[in-house]
Amino acid sequence: DAMVIQNPRYQVTQFGKPVTLSCSQTLNHNVMYWYQQKSSQAPKLLFHYYDKDFNNEADTPDNFQSRRPNTSFCFLDIRSPGLGDAAMYLCATSETANSYEQYFGPGTRLTVT
Amino acid sequence: GQNIDQPTEMTATEGAIVQINCTYQTSGFNGLFWYQQHAGEAPTFLSYNVLDGLEEKGRFSSFLSRSKGYSYLLLKELQMKDSASYLCAVMGSNYQLIWGAGTKLIIKP
Repeated sequence: DAMVIQNPRYQVTQFGKPVTLSCSQTLNHNVMYWYQQKSSQAPKLLFHYYDKDFNNEADTPDNFQSRRPNTSFCFLDIRSPGLGDAAMYLCATSETANSYEQYFGPGTRLTVT
Repeated sequence: GQNIDQPTEMTATEGAIVQINCTYQTSGFNGLFWYQQHAGEAPTFLSYNVLDGLEEKGRFSSFLSRSKGYSYLLLKELQMKDSASYLCAVMGSNYQLIWGAGTKLIIKP
């Protein structure tokens, strides 16, 4: 089945220790998104890619970086995680920039100790 | 600014009907979405409205009034598995989603 895959599902990292979250898709969608969602809050868009064109949200901290080496894969790098970065990180795709449906991966729950 | 408002939590009884409201103020409008999110899981798509009126899909219906900046999600014949958060999101002028914080729906037997 075509899908959006995120690994790992649960990630524990130490305060200040770099961590990378990964996302892959078999949908061949042009657009990929990274969201951060804290408990009982709305998902917050961090970045999105239209193909290889990278779009950073204005309020995304510099501590967060992203890479999309090819259509299928996208990575979220947190250079120096703080306690406030503990959250669910959701990857999503859409077929085109103005497609109405976004397809979400299962998410990676990040814990910072 | 851009704003999506929905109730924080609602409680309903198994077998009953519940309506979850959403009001929005956004710069631009390219449709309104409802997503279901079970605890610890990713959101899953429920419905999309871009024109005024009611869209029915099985036990779930979604209504939109663009002039009022208002939508609701109607869930009929509630089942225990419907216990989840329901997120309202508006696609703005740049085709990105603006999300509400979600309504936690608790279903009681």
